[in-house]
Amino acid sequence: DAGVTQSPTHLIKTRGQQVTLRCSPISGHKSVSWYQQVLGQGPQFIFQYYEKEERGRGNFPDRFSARQFPNYSSELNVNALLLGDSALYLCASSLGGGQDYGYTFGSGTRLTVV
Amino acid sequence: GQQLNQSPQSMFIQEGEDVSMNCTSSSIFNTWLWYKQDPGEGPVLLIALYKAGELTSNGRLTAQFGITRKDSFLNISASIPSDVGIYFCAGPSPYGGATNKLIFGTGTLLAVQP
Repeated sequence: DAGVTQSPTHLIKTRGQQVTLRCSPISGHKSVSWYQQVLGQGPQFIFQYYEKEERGRGNFPDRFSARQFPNYSSELNVNALLLGDSALYLCASSLGGGQDYGYTFGSGTRLTVV
Repeated sequence: GQQLNQSPQSMFIQEGEDVSMNCTSSSIFNTWLWYKQDPGEGPVLLIALYKAGELTSNGRLTAQFGITRKDSFLNISASIPSDVGIYFCAGPSPYGGATNKLIFGTGTLLAVQP
């Protein structure tokens, strides 16, 4: 079984540009969460989606948006990139919402904003 | 954003030594999770704890859920070179609502010298 797949693995963008990151969850998993991990820190929660609906949003500006598709894959979009958006973006999938902490993380997308 | 405090920040030890690290919070947590992150990878779940006072082992790893529910501990016995990585504690946000969003600790970097 394939694990959580994220693409691209690395990305370099210029300030002000927009970026789309993609995630395919483990087969059968209906929940996808996105985390931002700045170098030297622990991951910070951005969004959670379950059954194509947003279940939660972290303390991130409206420049960050996401969606989940009928096949449960997900995209994270970031507009008007800032230097501070440079980070490892992690996608995690789990079976469902609620008290399910059985996350499996992908290897992440390393975004560098120059 | 909110983070859990981990100590020590980093550890440099000899192969075969035992390791102890801890994680503290100002809020009560009902679940404690310990993750390991290798360079260029996402975090991998090592141990999950669900009850105050619980002691759980996974091979050479042992973790404990603090009685106050505001802390947790991870011990690694007889360390080996592949134990190198960053160890994170995490717990479901007390303010997560319908989500299972996780709050991560600041991380403990472990380096093992053969």
